[in-house]
Amino acid sequence: DTEVTQTPKHLVMGMTNKKSLKCEQHMGHRAMYWYKQKAKKPPELMFVYSYEKLSINESVPSRFSPECPNSSLLNLHLHALQPEDSALYLCASSQTPGADGYTFGSGTRLTVV
Amino acid sequence: AQSVTQLGSHVSVSEGALVLLRCNYSSSVPPYLFWYVQYPNQGLQLLLKYTTGATLVKGINGFEAEFNKSQTSFHLRKPSVHISDTAEYFCAVSEPWGGATNKLIFGTGTLLAVQP
Repeated sequence: DTEVTQTPKHLVMGMTNKKSLKCEQHMGHRAMYWYKQKAKKPPELMFVYSYEKLSINESVPSRFSPECPNSSLLNLHLHALQPEDSALYLCASSQTPGADGYTFGSGTRLTVV
Repeated sequence: AQSVTQLGSHVSVSEGALVLLRCNYSSSVPPYLFWYVQYPNQGLQLLLKYTTGATLVKGINGFEAEFNKSQTSFHLRKPSVHISDTAEYFCAVSEPWGGATNKLIFGTGTLLAVQP
């Protein structure tokens, strides 16, 4: 299995809702990442997990809460989002330190209404 | 801090033409270098990478890139493009010492439009 699987593919949520994005990989990668991508922009790093521990938080607002339950799963919990949080959310994984490259999922298209 | 510069946000070429997409990095030591492609409404797919060794690297779909340490560049080229190559191309770098602070940092991207 050489894929990163993200669910759901599309999500529409209200500003008072709580939702979660899920990411799964079975490549034995020990680093997992969340990126946010706005239209016509490059992906921006949000969080890095290394060996299931949060190693980098790029000053992301607390309405985004990451979780890594085990080495294959990465979640992003969403609460009280704003319309400007609408974006494509990409999950990625890699071996550390990443010389073999980073494998990306196809993303979750999030719309906050 | 490392950074990546992609010259040209939009490149338009005719089918069958040679295309060159430019990428320069700024880092105190040569980083790991990557080119990714993103088709509309999709995730990112790795085209090729440079870590060590031969400076000319070949990737998928007929793309290749050359690492030039003196010019701190990693330009991507394809001798003859196809309409299906129309996509956004991102150059990216990560630090070779990685570990817990491993990051992949992207350039601003170049939209390649291949015209029939």
